[in-house]
Parts: sequence; C-alpha cells; structure tokens
Amino acid sequence: GENVEQHPSTLSVQEGDSAVIKCTYSDSASNYFPWYKQELGKRPQLIIDIRSNVGEKKDQRIAVTLNKTAKHFSLHITETQPEDSAVYFCAASRDTGTASKLTFGTGTRLQVTL
Amino acid sequence: DTGVSQDPRHKITKRGQNVTFRCDPISEHNRLYWYRQTLGQGPEFLTYFQNEAQLEKSRLLSDRFSAERPKGSFSTLEIQRTEQGDSAMYLCASSLAGLEQYFGPGTRLTVT
Repeated sequence: GENVEQHPSTLSVQEGDSAVIKCTYSDSASNYFPWYKQELGKRPQLIIDIRSNVGEKKDQRIAVTLNKTAKHFSLHITETQPEDSAVYFCAASRDTGTASKLTFGTGTRLQVTL
Repeated sequence: DTGVSQDPRHKITKRGQNVTFRCDPISEHNRLYWYRQTLGQGPEFLTYFQNEAQLEKSRLLSDRFSAERPKGSFSTLEIQRTEQGDSAMYLCASSLAGLEQYFGPGTRLTVT
C-alpha cells in the first residue's frame, strides 16, 4: 500500500519568513495530493491540493509543488503569520473512480513566532 | 451549518462496553470515509462508502468494528467490546466522487 513520509516533524519560523514542508510517497499510481491544517482540538481543514497532471498550484500565500518522477511534493507558506501556527498533514490518494482513501503523513508542527 | 457533523463529540466508556458513533456528511456528497487519529499522528483510513455500499475496509478494522450507511446518507461506526487501544479520535469525512474530502469535528473516544 501507499506510504507517505513527511519532514520536518517540527518547524519554527519567525513571522514574515517562509516555511517549507516536504513529503514523499511510494505508490507511483497516486494522483491526488491534498494538504490539511489542523489546529489543536479542531478538525483537519483542507487548505490546498494538487493533482498529478499539474506541477504547481498557488493560492495567495500558499503553494504546493509536485515532482512525479521523484515522488515528492512540498507545501510552501510565504509571509507566515501567527495564525499559521498549527499541525500540517500531507496526504496521497489514488482515485480510481471507486476508491480514493487518503494516506497521511505524520504531520509537521509549525510554530510562527513574533 | 452545512458541514460534516459527528455525534457525540466525546465518549468515555468502560472496557468491554459497546459504543456507536454517528456521522452526517455534507448533503450532496456520495462518499463517506471513517478515519482514526491518535495523538501526534495523522488520520488512518478505516473504511469508506460510496452511497450505501461499503467498498473498502482497512486491516485496522478488526471484527469488533462495524460500519453502516443504510440509506446512503448518515453513517454509524460501532465498536464492540471496547479495548483501551481503541482510545482515539474517530473522524468522518465526505466527498463528492473523487473530489476533496471534508472532515467532521470527530468523536473522541476514551476507554477506561
């Protein structure tokens, strides 16, 4: 089955700096890669996603890149703000039309300091 | 609130008791997923439904676990003869076909 590895496990940046979180996946047939943000005691919240036919996607201060050959994808957050502090999870999925379960990484705790 | 809802939000039970959780997906979503999340880990897939059909179950889902989605709307997850290792956050998510999965707030289960 799919295996997703995520690094780093913790990341501390100063407000205004950029943060990068990296994930690798094992199943070359995976074709959908979402990122979730989870604040303490809250539900995982989808913040951005990318499909395998696209190399990069951007939404305001958040961007995701995908390298299918190397089987890795990354989340980039620019101009970080204190409210970006949370745990971020990457995930991978192979949508076959009848199956699209997500396999998650182990999470990155991002702390944005003033 | 038109998001995914789960009930109860918290459940404390004694080892050996049965528990049942409910998930109400976003109304037009035909896929419903159950995940389990333990402290410091990402959610782990348990099972999923497309309409009322249960299409896949994880090896994590022992015989003590059963899930239903009788009319293709809400779903229930039952755990029989609970064990301390069942303590976790049980998350439900829904999606429209292969599109984005939206999570509910979860049910936190504590087995004493």
